[in-house]
Amino acid sequence: DGGITQSPKYLFRKEGQNVTLSCEQNLNHDAMYWYRQDPGQGLRLIYYSQIVNDFQKGDIAEGYSVSREKKESFPLTVTSAQKNPTAFYLCASSMGGSGTPDTGELFFGEGSRLTVL
Amino acid sequence: AQKVTQAQTEISVVEKEDVTLDCVYETRDTTYYLFWYKQPPSGELVFLIRRNSFDEQNEISGRYSWNFQKSTSSFNFTITASQVVDSAVYFCALRPLYNFNKFYFGSGTKLNVKP
Repeated sequence: DGGITQSPKYLFRKEGQNVTLSCEQNLNHDAMYWYRQDPGQGLRLIYYSQIVNDFQKGDIAEGYSVSREKKESFPLTVTSAQKNPTAFYLCASSMGGSGTPDTGELFFGEGSRLTVL
Repeated sequence: AQKVTQAQTEISVVEKEDVTLDCVYETRDTTYYLFWYKQPPSGELVFLIRRNSFDEQNEISGRYSWNFQKSTSSFNFTITASQVVDSAVYFCALRPLYNFNKFYFGSGTKLNVKP
């Protein structure tokens, strides 16, 4: 089945620790995104990548880092610099590429819920 | 500025009632795309519909219908004869053509359908 796989689904972290959330897609999409969702709020963009080995900051990138070494993978690291990391994290992808504006829908994973103890 | 407003934070209805979820957007772009997503308790956002700014035809898909009115910058979503399985958080989103890396999401409307 084609889709986006996020892991782990639940993650607990002690203060001061870095954690990495995995996101893998087999949709052959060029563009990938990380969003953060807090209770009662919409989705806020953390980072996005339109192509391998390239990524850009979104609206709330501070305290996060990403890499895009493979088309299929876009891991997110929540660093100790992120002051309030407890949230629900969603990875998404869209077709992207082809040199024309990507106007399609986003496809989402099932999310990872991070709790800081 | 780009913005999506979903003024209804939470709605509760009884099964079989019709319910409309409101979405109002702001954009200076002439070409843009509007979306609705459903987020069930499992957490994954499920795509429901995509509309471009030049297509103001209403759309019906089973019990779901969408009313796009450019004049009022609204893209409302109606569920007819609601069912318990419709209980979820629904998000409206805007994707401008010329800043297509960004989706602008509303804050979502939580729909509770009671048996």
